[in-house]
Amino acid sequence: AQSVSQHNHHVILSEAASLELGCNYSYGGTVNLFWYVQYPGQHLQLLLKYFSGDPLVKGIKGFEAEFIKSKFSFNLRKPSVQWSDTAEYFCAVRLSGNTPLVFGKGTRLSVIA
Amino acid sequence: EAGVAQSPRYKIIEKRQSVAFWCNPISGHATLYWYQQILGQGPKLLIQFQNNGVVDDSQLPKDRFSAERLKGVDSTLKIQPAKLEDSAVYLCASSVFDSPLHFGNGTRLTVT
Repeated sequence: AQSVSQHNHHVILSEAASLELGCNYSYGGTVNLFWYVQYPGQHLQLLLKYFSGDPLVKGIKGFEAEFIKSKFSFNLRKPSVQWSDTAEYFCAVRLSGNTPLVFGKGTRLSVIA
Repeated sequence: EAGVAQSPRYKIIEKRQSVAFWCNPISGHATLYWYQQILGQGPKLLIQFQNNGVVDDSQLPKDRFSAERLKGVDSTLKIQPAKLEDSAVYLCASSVFDSPLHFGNGTRLTVT
């Protein structure tokens, strides 16, 4: 069955620290990859997506992610986190086309001053 | 553009009661999804509609859950009868073909 694994359940960082959240998926075939963020009390919002082309994609708020096909990975990175990045982060994958997203369990990020 | 609208925002019911959730997708979005998000987990697909037809309902517990999208726009999700394990946030999302999904704020259901 198709699945998405997020390695970290809860990450605590100080402001200005660098962030990397892991995401691995098990799919055959061409995939679309996404990172969504959910700030406290808000709806899921798209951070960035990968469909094809340059495997290093840049999203909003200084986030980026790298698709490594050989490792079935799509890790999220940010060089310097801010307190306002405190949120839950979800990696999601789907087969290309009009197919549903399969989500990982999410990683809760807490940024402390 | 207006986002995906969902109501109610919160609902508390007793087990064995019924409940319904409503979703209005972004205008022009032909694809509509219902997801269930249990605390501490990622969203899990319940059902996908393309216009008013069901594309995927393989993970919908059909003995108690039902969903419809009669005119290809609004959708309702119903649970009857509810169980304790149905306590979750129910998310509606919409998209156009292979674009990213846009999510609503969700309905938080508590079954006591």
